[in-house]
Amino acid sequence: AQTVTQSQPEMSVQEAETVTLSCTYDTSESNYYLFWYKQPPSRQMILVIRQEAYKQQNATENRFSVNFQKAAKSFSLKISDSQLGDTAMYFCAFMSPGTASKLTFGTGTRLQVTL
Amino acid sequence: DTGVSQDPRHKITKRGQNVTFRCDPISEHNRLYWYRQTLGQGPEFLTYFQNEAQLEKSRLLSDRFSAERPKGSFSTLEIQRTEQGDSAMYLCASSRLPLAVNGDEQYFGPGTRLTVT
Repeated sequence: AQTVTQSQPEMSVQEAETVTLSCTYDTSESNYYLFWYKQPPSRQMILVIRQEAYKQQNATENRFSVNFQKAAKSFSLKISDSQLGDTAMYFCAFMSPGTASKLTFGTGTRLQVTL
Repeated sequence: DTGVSQDPRHKITKRGQNVTFRCDPISEHNRLYWYRQTLGQGPEFLTYFQNEAQLEKSRLLSDRFSAERPKGSFSTLEIQRTEQGDSAMYLCASSRLPLAVNGDEQYFGPGTRLTVT
């Protein structure tokens, strides 16, 4: 079974600064997907960024980028130029593209962006 | 694309009562997932449907839980004889088939927060 570990329960960053959220995972599979989801307070979860394991190039989406280290089974999220609207719970998730394609989530990191 | 909707958003019930939640996925999505999220934890997979067929159930889904997706559109999740340990946020998500473009991306609804007193 796959496991996802987020070791930072809470993080804080000042507006316009850069922050990195950590995620490690454990799997014996070679083909899989990794995701970062954002869950703002009292709002629904939305996808921030995704990475296919077979792609060596790190994914980027505007101010969001990942550092994917397949051998180390590490998948960190970097948020540049942090904005107040980035305040949310961030979940790292793993998916094996098998029959179910279900997501396995970490316990989340609560990010607070301050003035 | 009107997004995934869930009803109700909040439900308070007494222990031992039955509750039913509804999820309306994005209309062209074939797959529908249910997850449960307890306080301080990430969502955990409960079950999923491909069209009207329920293809996998987690061990978390005890006999008191049942889910349906009768016509491959909306889905219901029923909990019978609720217990305090059932208190959680129940999330629904939908996606296209895996081989479709971005078929791996799941779109989440706002969730139903269940409180069992």
